[in-house]
Amino acid sequence: EIVLTQSPGTLSLSPGERATLSCRASQSVSSNYLAWYQQKPGQAPRLLIYAASTRATGIPDRFSGSGSGTDFTLTITRLEPEDFAVFYCQQYVTSFAFGPGTKVEIK
Amino acid sequence: QVQLMESGGGLVKPGGSLRLSCAASGFTFSDHYMTWVRQAPGKGLEWLSYISGGSTYTNYADSVKGRFTISRDNAKNSLYLEMNSLRAEDTAVYYCARAVDGGRYGAPYAYWGQGTLVTVSS
Repeated sequence: EIVLTQSPGTLSLSPGERATLSCRASQSVSSNYLAWYQQKPGQAPRLLIYAASTRATGIPDRFSGSGSGTDFTLTITRLEPEDFAVFYCQQYVTSFAFGPGTKVEIK
Repeated sequence: QVQLMESGGGLVKPGGSLRLSCAASGFTFSDHYMTWVRQAPGKGLEWLSYISGGSTYTNYADSVKGRFTISRDNAKNSLYLEMNSLRAEDTAVYYCARAVDGGRYGAPYAYWGQGTLVTVSS
């Protein structure tokens, strides 16, 4: 079973700053079957990135994903006010587990 | 456009049962794997189960295996989750979800319902 850890737990940043979120897997995620989601309070999650680096439909290009193997990164180049939320990574190799999440909050 | 709408949540006693439904529209339902994901209050996301388009393949998280059953009725464009032997730790918002086109075993999830709350309490 692949276990995901995310860091940091909370990221305090100001609008306009760059956000770098990490997702680490306990074993290699084959074929880069790794996705990122954003979730705001009271809403369903929104798919941002899949296959480690492919933006989902309608996702702004300030969101980008990178990485392979066991280390993956979600980068938001310039935070907009609507970007503050909780972000989850998910592997869909086996067991489809999500990471525990990173909260990006306004500093 | 793709729409998913869950129903059937509510308050149930420990040991009880509940059946959730998810009505789908805007796509050819039988062509797609479907998935249930839940989120306990204030907690993260937990994948529960998927089912293939023709119901041939199903898979479950260990936490619900043997207690929950996923099923679908393609004629009604509906997905179901039968939940038995419910426990307090099953209290959560339950989402149905559909993958991006070309996904793998129904993942990752580009389309989500609004969720339905299940509360297990005496």
